[in-house]
This record gives sequence, C-alpha cells and structure tokens, in this order.
Amino acid sequence: GAVVSQHPSRVICKSGTSVKIECRSLDFQATTMFWYRQFPKKSLMLMATSNEGSKATYEQGVEKDKFLINHASLTLSTLTVTSAHPEDSSFYICSARVPGPGANVLTFGAGSRLTVL
Amino acid sequence: GESVGLHLPTLSVQEGDNSIINCAYSNSASDYFIWYKQESGKGPQFIIDIRSNMDKRQGQRVTVLLNKTVKHLSLQIAATQPGDSAVYFCAAYPHNNNDMRFGAGTRLTVKP
Repeated sequence: GAVVSQHPSRVICKSGTSVKIECRSLDFQATTMFWYRQFPKKSLMLMATSNEGSKATYEQGVEKDKFLINHASLTLSTLTVTSAHPEDSSFYICSARVPGPGANVLTFGAGSRLTVL
Repeated sequence: GESVGLHLPTLSVQEGDNSIINCAYSNSASDYFIWYKQESGKGPQFIIDIRSNMDKRQGQRVTVLLNKTVKHLSLQIAATQPGDSAVYFCAAYPHNNNDMRFGAGTRLTVKP
C-alpha cells in the first residue's frame, strides 16, 4: 500500500545547528503534505501545510523562518529546523493524503525524533 | 481552538475485555471523523472513519459510534489484546478547512 517515509527517524544535534527532515511519498504523488509536531504525552499539533511548487502555509504561532519547509517535488517535502535549540526537541511527523477512495484519510510517516543538546 | 477533545487521558483494561474510548467535538468540527492509533515512537495509523450521515460503522474488532445530538463519538474495541495498547486519537477536519485536527488522545493499556 501507499507509504509515507520519513528520514531520519532519530537525530541528535548541537544547539545552534540546523537539521533537515525529509518526507517522501512512496508510490504516489502528493501535491500537499502536512507537518505535525508532537510533544511527549501530547497530541499532534499541525505546524504547516507544505504545497508543491509554492510556499508553505504555517499555522499561527509557528515561525516560518525557524521551520523552513520546501516541497520541491511531488514526492518530497523537507522540514529544516534552523538554529535549533533544546526547546525544539520534539517528535516531528509528516503526512499526506493518498489519492483515490478514502483520500480524506491522512497517511502518516513514522516520525522523526529530534533531540537538541 | 481544538475542535475535538477527549474525556479521559488514560484507560486500563483487562485482556479480553471490551474497550470504549470517547471523544467529544465542537460545532467547528467537520462531518467526517477518523480514529487513529499511535504506538510508542511511531506515527499514527488509521483505524476507522465515519461520516455524519452514519451513526455506526464497524471494522474488524472495532466499532465507531457517532452521536450527533450530543456531539460525541466513541471507539469500541472488542476483545482487547495486548497489541491494542497505544494512544488513540480522534481527528476531524474543521469546517471549511483542509487541515486535520487531533484530539488530546487516550492512552490505552491492556493488562494481561
């Protein structure tokens, strides 16, 4: 079946560095992908909607210069956490809608756990 | 604000018992609701969905009930197994919005 793949699954970085997380749609094209953030024992919070060929749409309170999103192709969206700080440590999850019946259902990647030291 | 929410953050059941996880939604929630299961360290997985023109929908060992009068939906898991231990989220699309919103989640623990 259709799969959304995220990489890396875990990343540890030093404070002040930038980290890129990739989200790929396997076997289907995704003009739109969604990036969520999840704190421990909390729900998923939508950060931004990634749009292929155009700028991402950010949720209120999410710094677009901090969380750079690039949707360069129909199968790849990237989230770059710039100048990371310990408070950026979190579980980042991307998702996409698989075309066809049930297209309202979001298919999620396995998530990327970021730890900023 | 949130368009969906949950009554209880945790639920513990004995293996073999039935589990009921509840979710309340507001007027801003859509006419389409989805239940997801999230195991530790993984992304959410689709379980079952329901549209507002239905009151009930059944899957394999799972049933979703929708009560539009009180804006409440529930996920019932029959004969709960240890593998069902996870966090369960209800989700919906707010009206006129393409972005899915999640409830707070209920952590289900199945005791052997």
